[in-house]
Amino acid sequence: EAEVAQSPRYKITEKSQAVAFWCDPISGHATLYWYRQILGQGPELLVQFQDESVVDDSQLPKDRFSAERLKGVDSTLKIQPAELGDSAMYLCASSSSGPSYNEQFFGPGTRLTVL
Amino acid sequence: SQQGEEDPQALSIQEGENATMNCSYKTSINNLQWYRQNSGRGLVHLILIRSNEREKHSGRLRVTLDTSKKSSSLLITASRAADTASYFCATVARGNFNKFYFGSGTKLNVKP
Repeated sequence: EAEVAQSPRYKITEKSQAVAFWCDPISGHATLYWYRQILGQGPELLVQFQDESVVDDSQLPKDRFSAERLKGVDSTLKIQPAELGDSAMYLCASSSSGPSYNEQFFGPGTRLTVL
Repeated sequence: SQQGEEDPQALSIQEGENATMNCSYKTSINNLQWYRQNSGRGLVHLILIRSNEREKHSGRLRVTLDTSKKSSSLLITASRAADTASYFCATVARGNFNKFYFGSGTKLNVKP
């Protein structure tokens, strides 16, 4: 069964360092999402791509976060510099295009700890 | 905010009992979905209910939707220890193409 792949699964870094997360969505899925989930809370959307274009990055802290999906397939989320408050689970999800009836398929997430 | 809110925040029951979780939201929706998350893992889609539907079943799951009250409920019947997880509702707003808003979740513990 097709799955969303994410790497790394765990990342420990010191504050002020740069970190990058990678996501490979299910083949053929045009929509890709990056979420941040703080422990005990629900996922919060950071950025949404439709193919290679950003359709929503209103909640992305653009002074330190960046995301790209250059060929409309896999995607990278970067944080530079990392801050203590960035410690969270970063989830990637994808869905097929079309009417907004479609479910999202989530990857296993990257657990980031900033020391 | 569009974000849904689940109630209760935490629920502890015995195996075999039913578990009911509620979700309230603020604006008009296209559809509402329920997801499950095991500890430290990604979310898994459980069931979707459209705004023109009132009730939907899938195995031991029953979802209701009341658009006049802007609320939904998820019922898990005959719960099992393996149902222990966090459950989230996600709303897809009208006019917001494929944008999902997740609630804060209900943490369910089913004791064997």
